[in-house]
Amino acid sequence: GNSVTQMEGPVTLSEEAFLTINCTYTATGYPSLFWYVQYPGEGLQLLLKATKADDKGSNKGFEATYRKETTSFHLEKGSVQVSDSAVYFCALSDLGFGNEKLTFGTGTRLTIIP
Amino acid sequence: NAGVTQTPKFQVLKTGQSMTLQCAQDMNHEYMSWYRQDPGMGLRLIHYSVGAGITDQGEVPNGYNVSRSTTEDFPLRLLSAAPSQTSVYFCASRSYNSPLHFGNGTRLTVT
Repeated sequence: GNSVTQMEGPVTLSEEAFLTINCTYTATGYPSLFWYVQYPGEGLQLLLKATKADDKGSNKGFEATYRKETTSFHLEKGSVQVSDSAVYFCALSDLGFGNEKLTFGTGTRLTIIP
Repeated sequence: NAGVTQTPKFQVLKTGQSMTLQCAQDMNHEYMSWYRQDPGMGLRLIHYSVGAGITDQGEVPNGYNVSRSTTEDFPLRLLSAAPSQTSVYFCASRSYNSPLHFGNGTRLTVT
């Protein structure tokens, strides 16, 4: 079956530090990959996506590249801000973008200190 | 522009009680789904619906019922609550080939 493994948290960084949250996956076929973000007291929001190998998703300064050879989709940001404090979920869908049968990782809580 | 609205925000039940978690969306989305979020387990799909009158089971459907009589509403029913159903529940919706829109969640505690 499908699975997503992401970096255990919590992660605490100083403002303006470089961020990497690792995500690897196991899936049949060619899944679509996603990063979702959950701010305190809110539901999840799509942060970025990639639907095929070597695609790079980007949004709000965050980037992730779909690496088929390493089955990875690591999330990066060059300079984090306090407002980036949230829980980040890596997810995949092997039935194409837009399918609601997403498989989620366990989430990584990120705290940025001023 | 309400998006996906879940009620209540918080609920405490005793074992064996029943209740319905409400979910409504005003975006005319065809697809709606329920997830539960548990520490260390990410989100897991409970039930989903691809349109009014159509529902199907997700990964963890036992102990939950759903119905979809209108496009807007997708309630989740717990017929006899158990402590294992203590969780945060999220409703989500989308239109075809678009990302999921999540509600803000319902935190349920079963004692």
